[in-house]
Amino acid sequence: DSGVTQTPKHLITATGQRVTLRCSPRSGDLSVYWYQQSLDQGLQFLIQYYNGEERAKGNILERFSAQQFPDLHSELNLSSLELGDSALYFCASSPTGRLGTGELFFGEGSRLTVL
Amino acid sequence: AQKITQTQPGMFVQEKEAVTLDCTYDTSDQSYGLFWYKQPSSGEMIFLIYQGSYDEQNATEGRYSLNFQKARKSANLVISASQLGDSAMYFCAMRPLTGANSKLTFGKGITLSVRP
Repeated sequence: DSGVTQTPKHLITATGQRVTLRCSPRSGDLSVYWYQQSLDQGLQFLIQYYNGEERAKGNILERFSAQQFPDLHSELNLSSLELGDSALYFCASSPTGRLGTGELFFGEGSRLTVL
Repeated sequence: AQKITQTQPGMFVQEKEAVTLDCTYDTSDQSYGLFWYKQPSSGEMIFLIYQGSYDEQNATEGRYSLNFQKARKSANLVISASQLGDSAMYFCAMRPLTGANSKLTFGKGITLSVRP
């Protein structure tokens, strides 16, 4: 158990809908990262938050948004969903915005299926 | 920009034998970290081993060791005494150790199947 909690574990929805994925980082970790894993694109970095502020942005679509709350949990909002958004969405946390020699600790992922 | 290349097709290894999973990388950073993660069929990402670019010795963690060849920009994972539970997808990843960008960049992954 990595200590990172993601909900829901599975989600099935229709095109055009909006969903919210939730992540609780490890206790004390200030940094949260979101990754998307699809069969054709592999693991793609979406966005990083550090202590409530956006720190880095990757290949995140405009239809997607995220935030980190004062209690450090994070939410990833996906709207106007398309079939191609079906993927496994990972949240990871680390103690600081810049990693030392440690790794990212990953949650079990939220598997999104868009029908 | 950073790039991780994992080009091996699906790998097969006999139980109790050793296997090497290849990883090459490209970066303009002078200081960086290299990671290997394991993803079993259940989906979670499990950290295996870390190597810093300035570490003089190759990293080892139990049955895992990292064959780090800096001049060749390779960071191959060696799994000794393979077990059936080692069957999984394996990802190589890297990140800079300096600067504001701390995200991990991943390779496409390699599928390992351990035969009994």
